[in-house]
Amino acid sequence: SSELTQDPAVSVALGQTVRITCQGDSLRSYYASWYQQKPGQAPVLVIYGKNNRPSGIPDRFSGSSSGNTASLTITGAQAEDEADYYCNSRDSSGSVFGGGTKLTVL
Amino acid sequence: EVQLVESGGGLVQPGRSLRLSCAASGFTFDDYAMHWVRQAPGKGLEWVSGISWNSGSTGYADSVKGRFTISRDNAKNSLYLQMNSLRAEDTALYYCAKDNMGVPTYYFDYWGQGTLVTVSS
Repeated sequence: SSELTQDPAVSVALGQTVRITCQGDSLRSYYASWYQQKPGQAPVLVIYGKNNRPSGIPDRFSGSSSGNTASLTITGAQAEDEADYYCNSRDSSGSVFGGGTKLTVL
Repeated sequence: EVQLVESGGGLVQPGRSLRLSCAASGFTFDDYAMHWVRQAPGKGLEWVSGISWNSGSTGYADSVKGRFTISRDNAKNSLYLQMNSLRAEDTALYYCAKDNMGVPTYYFDYWGQGTLVTVSS
């Protein structure tokens, strides 16, 4: 099965822009989806497909992809965006998650 | 309102079996593929298994293939995971997750709160 690689931790100043990346061979063939998980809570889908946001997700969240890298961008990060973020993609067996990125909002 | 409620977790000895259930409501269950995703304590997410709307297609992570079986009962709006030959490394919070299509796209748009499985002697 394939793997997706994420930076373990990223920080951003309040109101600034941050990009969280995800690398893997499967991303050359499939779009990533992105999940936000806060402590003690279930994950929440924030981006899927080319750059789609489920209803209720703020438009400061956006997604992009190039080659084997998918990115989640938060434009104007808020304190409530502090969380773990996981990318996900299809692969030959079914699906694979990245290891997660802990986002700290300073 | 979409609701997914998992049950069936608990403490089980290595080598034994356990069956998880997920009761779905708030949407037309038999229109959507469904999945199980797990999270070991303090660790990341791991996709475990998925099933299409009509049970015609199933898939498993390599780590559980041959030991776990996913199934669904559309008449009961329920998803199941039969887990056999359990190992310590199967210890995790098991989430039920809804796909956004009838065949798996692996876009998990709703999640339950999870049921904890602990495998230990």
